[in-house]
Amino acid sequence: EVQLEQSGAEVKKPGESLKISCTGSGFSFTTYWIAWVRQMPGKGLEWMGIIYPGDSDVRYSPSFQGQVTISADKSINTAYLQWTSLKASDTAMYYCARPKDAYIMDTFDIWGQGTKATVSS
Amino acid sequence: DIQMTQSPSSLSPSVGDRVTITCRASQSIVKYLNWYQQKPGKAPKLLIYAASSLESGVPSRFTGSGSGTDFTLTISSLQPEDFATYYCQQSYNTPHSFGQGTKLQIK
Repeated sequence: EVQLEQSGAEVKKPGESLKISCTGSGFSFTTYWIAWVRQMPGKGLEWMGIIYPGDSDVRYSPSFQGQVTISADKSINTAYLQWTSLKASDTAMYYCARPKDAYIMDTFDIWGQGTKATVSS
Repeated sequence: DIQMTQSPSSLSPSVGDRVTITCRASQSIVKYLNWYQQKPGKAPKLLIYAASSLESGVPSRFTGSGSGTDFTLTISSLQPEDFATYYCQQSYNTPHSFGQGTKLQIK
């Protein structure tokens, strides 16, 4: 079965760092782009960025460039989203998603279950 | 960046109604338009891709149309399980932006 499994919920304080993960199984991880999508409480979906684990090519939304880092470890089929200094406004659900077709970065047909990040003092 | 604008933001139809949701792009995106359904507490689910292609397993009451800047998602006869929030997404240029969502609420 093709799936993306995300790491568990996190509760952090402002200023702390965080790294959440998304592990793929059932498909060739190195030939599919993996995207990260933010959903703030009660709000819509926001495309954050996308990585190609095969060569670690990363594209960021200008809204998130410099705010987060997207990386991947292809040896363990895992993509990451990380922050060095969290803010309360980073409180959100974060989804990873995989496109329908290999090598192409659009149209997400496989989604992780989401990782809820709560940042509060 | 390409801006995606959905209308309406919310709708209160009845079971059996025909429902149409509109999505407009700030520039031409040809047919690089996807539609997703999201239910509370769940990840989004792909319904339609490339403006009008039905994703496998999605009921045929869902249809997509449009090209260029204007697109529609139509549900021909609304079922109880269709009450959810619907998002369009352009995949023409990164960032692959989403519309703000259209929430179908039970009347």
